[in-house]
Amino acid sequence: AQSVAQPEDQVNVAEGNPLTVKCTYSVSGNPYLFWYVQYPNRGLQFLLKYITGDNLVKGSYGFEAEFNKSQTSFHLKKPSALVSDSALYFCAVRDGGNTPLVFGKGTRLSVIA
Amino acid sequence: EAQVTQNPRYLITVTGKKLTVTCSQNMNHEYMSWYRQDPGLGLRQIYYSMNVEVTDKGDVPEGYKVSRKEKRNFPLILESPSPNQTSLYFCASSAIGYGTEAFFGQGTRLTVV
Repeated sequence: AQSVAQPEDQVNVAEGNPLTVKCTYSVSGNPYLFWYVQYPNRGLQFLLKYITGDNLVKGSYGFEAEFNKSQTSFHLKKPSALVSDSALYFCAVRDGGNTPLVFGKGTRLSVIA
Repeated sequence: EAQVTQNPRYLITVTGKKLTVTCSQNMNHEYMSWYRQDPGLGLRQIYYSMNVEVTDKGDVPEGYKVSRKEKRNFPLILESPSPNQTSLYFCASSAIGYGTEAFFGQGTRLTVV
């Protein structure tokens, strides 16, 4: 069965600094990886996904993620953090076919001015 | 506008009083699912449906029922709610396929007293 780990409950970063939110996964087949963001009192919004191809995936709001097969990781990155990036971030994986999306427990990002 | 609509957004009820949370999507998606979000546990899938009249249990189905009589609607039913079902609930929909992202509703915050 597939699983996702987000090892950090909380990440703090100063505005303007680069940010990284970590995600590792476990699947039996090919991984299909997703990042979502949740702002207060809102549903989850899709940021980006990795299906195949380039290991560096670009998404919404200047975010990108790097797929690393050997380390089974899919870390979310942004070169320069904004205060408005403060939110809860979820990594998710699907193990091919029509299997359900499995989510990590989430990482709360705080960007400090 | 493509969207998933949940109602109500907030609900306070008493133990044992049957309730239904509605979910509707306007994207003609085959796949719909319900999640609950609890602090420290992330999102856990309750039930999912791959098409009309096809439903299956997720990770935490106990105490919940669903139905899929029409493609656009996927209501969540709590026949006899208990306090441990106090949570934030999300409905999601997506097209069938491993690379498709899910669209989420705004969430329903349920409190059972």
